[in-house]
Amino acid sequence: AQKITQTQPGMFVQEKEAVTLDCTYDTSDPSYGLFWYKQPSSGEMIFLIYQGSYDQQNATEGRYSLNFQKARKSANLVISASQLGDSAMYFCAMREGLNNNDMRFGAGTRLTVKP
Amino acid sequence: EAQVTQNPRYLITVTGKKLTVTCSQNMNHEYMSWYRQDPGLGLRQIYYSMNVEVTDKGDVPEGYKVSRKEKRNFPLILESPSPNQTSLYFCASSPHDRQAGRNEQFFGPGTRLTVL
Repeated sequence: AQKITQTQPGMFVQEKEAVTLDCTYDTSDPSYGLFWYKQPSSGEMIFLIYQGSYDQQNATEGRYSLNFQKARKSANLVISASQLGDSAMYFCAMREGLNNNDMRFGAGTRLTVKP
Repeated sequence: EAQVTQNPRYLITVTGKKLTVTCSQNMNHEYMSWYRQDPGLGLRQIYYSMNVEVTDKGDVPEGYKVSRKEKRNFPLILESPSPNQTSLYFCASSPHDRQAGRNEQFFGPGTRLTVL
């Protein structure tokens, strides 16, 4: 079974608008971490934001925020005020357990920002 | 500058010709990992290492080998490459924090491998 599911292969958003990229996860471990990475066309993987399973508040990093709904096992990435440079592939990932560095990645969502 | 480096960045080879992709990190991280990225499949883990001389299989280890003789280096070895190993490969590292910190993985720039 897929641990991380990203159901949107591609998304379009108008410049300056907000966009939500979906991510659902599956785990029975109460301790886990959720990550989002950005991969621009140049190929590198850029860490964006992290949410721990015990964190009380949704994570935010500048224009990025994570809509964490624990009961629904979802960790959607919200990008506010989209910019042309936000066009990229976005990956959701999960690390399970306290003493574990392994990550499992979703298939990714390709975001295109239209001018 | 803290970084993960990979070499080569691009490689075209032929079936059966042994190759090694090097990976090195300068952040003194205990944990290192190799992934392959294929369209529609995201990143899949090939092998990982928790520390020197400690390696283990990930989800797709067939056809690959690794070694961890030094903390900073984690080479990926393809003894007899085949066309289905054509892919984009990433090396990554992270600290191993037993206090369950963020421990995000830092990625190398990627190696695009084509096996003819």
